[in-house]
Amino acid sequence: GEDVEQSLFLSVREGDSSVINCTYTDSSSTYLYWYKQEPGAGLQLLTYIFSNMDMKQDQRLTVLLNKKDKHLSLRIADTQTGDSAIYFCAENGGAGNNRKLIWGLGTSLAVNP
Amino acid sequence: GAVVSQHPSWVICKSGTSVKIECRSLDFQATTMFWYRQFPKQSLMLMATSNEGSKATYEQGVEKDKFLINHASLTLSTLTVTSAHPEDSSFYICSAGDTYSNQPQHFGDGTRLSIL
Repeated sequence: GEDVEQSLFLSVREGDSSVINCTYTDSSSTYLYWYKQEPGAGLQLLTYIFSNMDMKQDQRLTVLLNKKDKHLSLRIADTQTGDSAIYFCAENGGAGNNRKLIWGLGTSLAVNP
Repeated sequence: GAVVSQHPSWVICKSGTSVKIECRSLDFQATTMFWYRQFPKQSLMLMATSNEGSKATYEQGVEKDKFLINHASLTLSTLTVTSAHPEDSSFYICSAGDTYSNQPQHFGDGTRLSIL
């Protein structure tokens, strides 16, 4: 069945780059997402990428998609303490945005001063 | 600004009470909305898909009589936790996507439900 996997924990120093990795199984996904969740808060859409793209950059965020390997990564440049949160990878398993999202378990990012 | 509004953000009530949570799409129409539940330090668990004008589709193991979903308009879905008990205490989150565009889904800020 559909599955999304990501590492559970990542720790970096402030100012370094963070790379959070995700693998998925559904090759028909049209959207792949990264959401951020701070403690006690809801989910914030960080960025997303269409499946026909290889890379998307948005300020400090770079998303790389390797469709052949079904591998998605999120790079945060110059990581700050405010970036400490849980990052969820998700894919929508097909065309259209009215499909239920398939979620990874989330990667907890800890940024040390 | 928020494109999906969820209300209330936090509710504490006694066991046996029914609690209604609202999810509104603020500037788009959504024929489908999704309700999730999240336990501490865990990922989101999809509870049900809310369909405008028809019955919700519940995920396996989710009691439809316990978690009543109503999606009476293109901008509003409600989740009612009936006769809530302490084990229903959780963080409930809704999401919605614009039916008429290919933009990604947005999430409400979540509702923290605490049953005493």
